[in-house]
Amino acid sequence: DQQVKQNSPSLSVQEGRISILNCDYTNSMFDYFLWYKKYPAEGPTFLISISSIKDKNEDGRFTVFLNKSAKHLSLHIVPSQPGDSAVYFCAASSVGTGANNLFFGTGTRLTVIP
Amino acid sequence: SAVISQKPSRDICQRGTSLTIQCQVDSQVTMMFWYRQQPGQSLTLIATANQGSEATYESGFVIDKFPISRPNLTFSTLTVSNMSPEDSSIYLCSARTGGITEAFFGQGTRLTVV
Repeated sequence: DQQVKQNSPSLSVQEGRISILNCDYTNSMFDYFLWYKKYPAEGPTFLISISSIKDKNEDGRFTVFLNKSAKHLSLHIVPSQPGDSAVYFCAASSVGTGANNLFFGTGTRLTVIP
Repeated sequence: SAVISQKPSRDICQRGTSLTIQCQVDSQVTMMFWYRQQPGQSLTLIATANQGSEATYESGFVIDKFPISRPNLTFSTLTVSNMSPEDSSIYLCSARTGGITEAFFGQGTRLTVV
């Protein structure tokens, strides 16, 4: 049972435009969410996170939005750059329960076209 | 942040044999984990490597198939035993420093079983 879902396997965006990557989750106990970026032949690299007490977190060109009622989060990248081309994974955990597990989505491959 | 080194980075193994993957972190970390990413799938947690005691396995994973060691706070090994082609995956080591912090990942070990 996939508790974290990324329904778009791929996304193509023009350089300079906004990239929006979406993620849905089913477990209401999740209270901490993360985005990872993965290049080929490398491990996932942490990008940005958000706690369930917030609805937005911003770090430079990257902003994560959380809609708890809809169990939905999104990652906005603006402006998009060719170097952003990678697979992006959404992950969630239940820190409040003391659980250590991170549940990952299946990833969205972002291609930024120069 | 923590830098995680995994080896080997890739291997091709005969069915019925075993492979041990090593994970070295450049600093002491509270928690270490082993994940598997099967082709086209999300990252799935195999187990939490506990220092000085038996690993904690997730549902669907057992110690006889995936024995794990963690002799200290910076090193862990995962063995994939009696391999079959279904074990062909990317295996990733991960570490967290505890609390609400992001997890760091090694570059992964791409295993192909023939």
